[in-house]
Amino acid sequence: EDKVVQSPLSLVVHEGDTVTLNCSYEVTNFRSLLWYKQEKKAPTFLFMLTSSGIEKKSGRLSSILDKKELFSILNITATQTGDSAVYLCAVGGVISSGSARQLTFGSGTQLTVLP
Amino acid sequence: NAGVTQTPKFQVLKTGQSMTLQCAQDMNHEYMSWYRQDPGMGLRLIHYSVGAGITDQGEVPNGYNVSRSTTEDFPLRLLSAAPSQTSVYFCASSYSIGLVYEQYFGPGTRLTVT
Repeated sequence: EDKVVQSPLSLVVHEGDTVTLNCSYEVTNFRSLLWYKQEKKAPTFLFMLTSSGIEKKSGRLSSILDKKELFSILNITATQTGDSAVYLCAVGGVISSGSARQLTFGSGTQLTVLP
Repeated sequence: NAGVTQTPKFQVLKTGQSMTLQCAQDMNHEYMSWYRQDPGMGLRLIHYSVGAGITDQGEVPNGYNVSRSTTEDFPLRLLSAAPSQTSVYFCASSYSIGLVYEQYFGPGTRLTVT
C-alpha cells in the first residue's frame, strides 16, 4: 500500500525563522513528488519534483528530492505570518493496471508563524 | 478560464438522503478526481477518471458513485448519506501526459450529514 508520511505534524515558529518540513514515501512506480500549500481552502501548487538532487526554488521556498532515500524536504527561509498554512506532500505513482496515475497525500504539516 | 468549479459550497444532508456534488473544468484536462479531506487524514482519493467514459475507484470509494460522460464534468453521487461522509470534498483535474500531473483543485464542498 502506498504511504506518504510528513513530519512534524505541526510547527510553531516566529517570523524570520527558517523551517524544514519533511516528507518520506513508499509508492509503487514513483513518478513525481508534489508540494502544496493549503490555507483553509483548496490546496495550491508549490513544486513538483521528479529528479533527485535538483533543488526547486521559488522565492523563500525551496525543495529537494532524494529518490534513493525516498524523501523530500521543503525549506522556508525568513518565514512570514503569511506562510502559516498546512503544507501537503503528495507522491504520484502508476496504479497496478499501468493505465492511470494517482496522487497519495500525506496528512500535512501545520505551520504557524507568529509575529 | 474558470479552472475547476464545484457546487454547492456547503450542504447539510440527513442520513439516508442522496445528492450529487458537481465538478466541472474548462482546461480540457483528461484526468479528474475526487478527494475527501478529514482532520488529520490528509486528502484521500475517492474515485478518478482518465477520460470521458472511464472511471475507477480510489482509496475510499464505498458509498460514492461517479460518471464521466464529458471531458468537462465529473459529478460525485452520494447514494445514501451517512454521518461518516461528513467531510470536505475536493475535485481536481490535471493533464495526463507523461510525468506532468500537477493537479488543480476546486474550491471544495463542505458536507455535513446529520
